[in-house]
Amino acid sequence: RKEVEQDPGPFNVPEGATVAFNCTYSNSASQSFFWYRQDCRKEPKLLMSVYSSGNEDGRFTAQLNRASQYISLLIRDSKLSDSATYLCVVNMRPLYSSASKIIFGSGTRLSIRP
Amino acid sequence: DGGITQSPKYLFRKEGQNVTLSCEQNLNHDAMYWYRQDPGQGLRLIYYSQIVNDFQKGDIAEGYSVSREKKESFPLTVTSAQKNPTAFYLCASSRGLNNEQFFGPGTRLTVL
Repeated sequence: RKEVEQDPGPFNVPEGATVAFNCTYSNSASQSFFWYRQDCRKEPKLLMSVYSSGNEDGRFTAQLNRASQYISLLIRDSKLSDSATYLCVVNMRPLYSSASKIIFGSGTRLSIRP
Repeated sequence: DGGITQSPKYLFRKEGQNVTLSCEQNLNHDAMYWYRQDPGQGLRLIYYSQIVNDFQKGDIAEGYSVSREKKESFPLTVTSAQKNPTAFYLCASSRGLNNEQFFGPGTRLTVL
């Protein structure tokens, strides 16, 4: 089982729709969580950090569920410009190690159609 | 403007040659990282550095080398020992180890 898993998609939704995707992680000692956005042939860019209480930034809402070990990203009123790959990132502490490590998911492709 | 830069954007090399990719940041970040991304794949960590004059191997360090002589700079050398070097190489930095990372624009390396 991968340490961080995402549905690769693609998710193909109409403009204006609400779309949500999840990311599961295997290590319950994981400490911090992030969502990045990556456009085709570009570098990843930080979209938002994910806090225990959940957080919202405009049309984007991130949630953390520690009991079930997943984080989610909800996009409301989707725009054509939201088309991208969304990467889930987890800062986890492997067993028997005091050092944390960052694990990137393989990403979920989102395509918004007019 | 603070940021992280990588050069060159595109790089072509002949098989058997070593090549060095540049990464510079003026964000005053202590930690820097090198990742490799293959088409349709996630990022894989090559090397990282938590502080000047110190660096650690990531998951796929074989065939690569790095140095961290200055806080601002973390060059990556792709050696001839790397069996399949054609990929998109991304450099990142963060304030502390494994905090939010900020990425450079990447270098696309193609081995001919």
